[in-house]
Amino acid sequence: AQTVTQSQPEMSVQEAETVTLSCTYDTSESDYYLFWYKQPPSRQMILVIRQEAYKQQNATENRFSVNFQKAAKSFSLKISDSQLGDAAMYFCAYLRADKLIFGTGTRLQVFP
Amino acid sequence: GAGVSQSPSNKVTEKGKDVELRCDPISGHTALYWYRQSLGQGLEFLIYFQGNSAPDKSGLPSDRFSAERTGGSVSTLTIQRTQQEDSAVYLCASSLASGGGGVSYEQYFGPGTRLTVT
Repeated sequence: AQTVTQSQPEMSVQEAETVTLSCTYDTSESDYYLFWYKQPPSRQMILVIRQEAYKQQNATENRFSVNFQKAAKSFSLKISDSQLGDAAMYFCAYLRADKLIFGTGTRLQVFP
Repeated sequence: GAGVSQSPSNKVTEKGKDVELRCDPISGHTALYWYRQSLGQGLEFLIYFQGNSAPDKSGLPSDRFSAERTGGSVSTLTIQRTQQEDSAVYLCASSLASGGGGVSYEQYFGPGTRLTVT
């Protein structure tokens, strides 16, 4: 069965600094999709970035980038130039047969 | 266009009562998903619809839970004889289509319904 593990329940970063959130997953499939979602206090899940497993290149979306290590089954999220608005819960997710399997989340605090 | 909407935003109910949670997907999205977010279980998949049919109901925790979708649009999640362990945030998401064949479509989430069973 596919599982997703986020080992950091909480992280903090100062404004303008860089922070990396960790995620590992377990799968026997070779083609799959991975996602990072952000959930602010408003509860709405917002897609931050996605990665297709068949792509060698790490995905990047503005200040957000991933370090995808397929052999190690690792999918970390790097947030550069952190902003106060980045404070939220971040969930790593694996897409399996149309359903998302989520990790337990990392709460990110951003300090001015 | 408008995003995924859910109603009510919050619902408090007494143990043993039935509740209905509603989800309006993004117009034109044929796939619709229900997830539950609770302190004890984290985020878990409940059910998904492709059109009006539900190919995967594997996440429904008991036969007290059911869901339907009509007209390929609005979906209702019904919980009968609510229990305290049903207290959670119920999230709905929709996507352009269900995936497969190496294709994946982004799931857009609604703001959720927070259910509290007293």
